[in-house]
Amino acid sequence: DIQMTQSPSSLSASVGDRVTITCRASQAISNFLAWYQQKPGRVPNLLIYAASTLQAGVPSRFSGSGSGTDFTLTISSLQPEDVATYYCQKYNSAPYAFGQGTKLEIK
Amino acid sequence: EMQLVESGGGLVKPGGSLRLSCAGSGFTFSRYSIIWVRQAPGKGLEWVSSISTSSSYMNYADSVRGRFTISRDNAKNSVYLQMNSLRAEDTAVYYCANLAPVNFDPQAGLWGQGTLVTVSS
Repeated sequence: DIQMTQSPSSLSASVGDRVTITCRASQAISNFLAWYQQKPGRVPNLLIYAASTLQAGVPSRFSGSGSGTDFTLTISSLQPEDVATYYCQKYNSAPYAFGQGTKLEIK
Repeated sequence: EMQLVESGGGLVKPGGSLRLSCAGSGFTFSRYSIIWVRQAPGKGLEWVSSISTSSSYMNYADSVRGRFTISRDNAKNSVYLQMNSLRAEDTAVYYCANLAPVNFDPQAGLWGQGTLVTVSS
């Protein structure tokens, strides 16, 4: 089965910083990669699909890139409301594995 | 309003059974594969099981294969997860969701609010 590995597992940054989270698949998955944001006590929310397409309603400071095995989620200017855990998920075929998550905090 | 609503969670003893339900509304339920995802307390998201649109394909995580069974009834816009031989490590919030889209699709990437399953004696 394909494994999804995120880095870092946690991250602390200042408001206004540019933040990058990476996700690596153990085998190529084309662009079948989604990013989810989960705020404390809340349901995961789809941010980006097809590796780089922003879901409707998601602020434009979020962006995604990559294809094949290496993917990134970037927040161009970190805001206080971005405190959350971020997960990548492959969805080309089952098993639809998630990365282990990246917990983002404000410094 | 598009939504998925889970039900059926609760407290069960080790070795017991539960049946979770996931009801969809406000979108074309039969067009989407449905997945179950769980999140143990303080842990990350774990894909559990999935079922294709016409029930042709059903898949399970190694951790639940042989104990959990997924099914769907498109006439009732519902998916079910029958959970048998439950263990303490199955304790989690269980979410149902449809997968993220390939192209623009406002009905995709939808998650329910989750239902808590607690396995304890």
